[in-house]
Amino acid sequence: DSGVTQTPKHLITATGQRVTLRCSPRSGDLSVYWYQQSLDQGLQFLIQYYNGEERAKGNILERFSAQQFPDLHSELNLSSLELGDSALYFCASSPHPWGGDEKLFFGSGTQLSVL
Amino acid sequence: GDSVTQMEGPVTLSEEAFLTINCTYTATGYPSLFWYVQYPGEGLQLLLKATKADDKGSNKGFEATYRKETTSFHLEKGSVQVSDSAVYFCALSMSGGSNYKLTFGKGTLLTVNP
Repeated sequence: DSGVTQTPKHLITATGQRVTLRCSPRSGDLSVYWYQQSLDQGLQFLIQYYNGEERAKGNILERFSAQQFPDLHSELNLSSLELGDSALYFCASSPHPWGGDEKLFFGSGTQLSVL
Repeated sequence: GDSVTQMEGPVTLSEEAFLTINCTYTATGYPSLFWYVQYPGEGLQLLLKATKADDKGSNKGFEATYRKETTSFHLEKGSVQVSDSAVYFCALSMSGGSNYKLTFGKGTLLTVNP
């Protein structure tokens, strides 16, 4: 168990809808990272937060947004969903503001299916 | 931009066979290199890492050596077990910058048969 909790584990929704994925980092970790895993694109970095502030942005679509709350949990909001958004979404956490050579701790992911 | 290329799978081996999963990278500076493993139904876990050229990372019988001259970080294990069946990801990060991200390869599925 990595200590990172993601909910829900599975989510099935329809095109055009909006969903929210939730992540609770390991106790004491201030950084949260979101990744999208799909068969064709592999594991893609979306966005990173540190102590409530956005720290780095990757291949995140404008229809997607995220935030980190004062209690350090994070939410990833996906709107105007398309079939191609179906993927496994991972959250990871680490103690520090930026990684470099440190270790990330991953949750088990939320499997999103857009029908 | 930075990128990681790893051998495509799936790789199927018999128990006690030798494993090599190739990984090469492209980066503008001197990255840190990682191997992560994803067991079925779980998130990724760090397997090993190396932070500078000629460093060897090792864990659970797996090894990988950071080769700057060939920009490679191949994963090896001398004798695989059924419990090693998983997806293996090679990754890199650039140390010290504020725009940190971990760039992953596409993953290699390993199946070990008894």
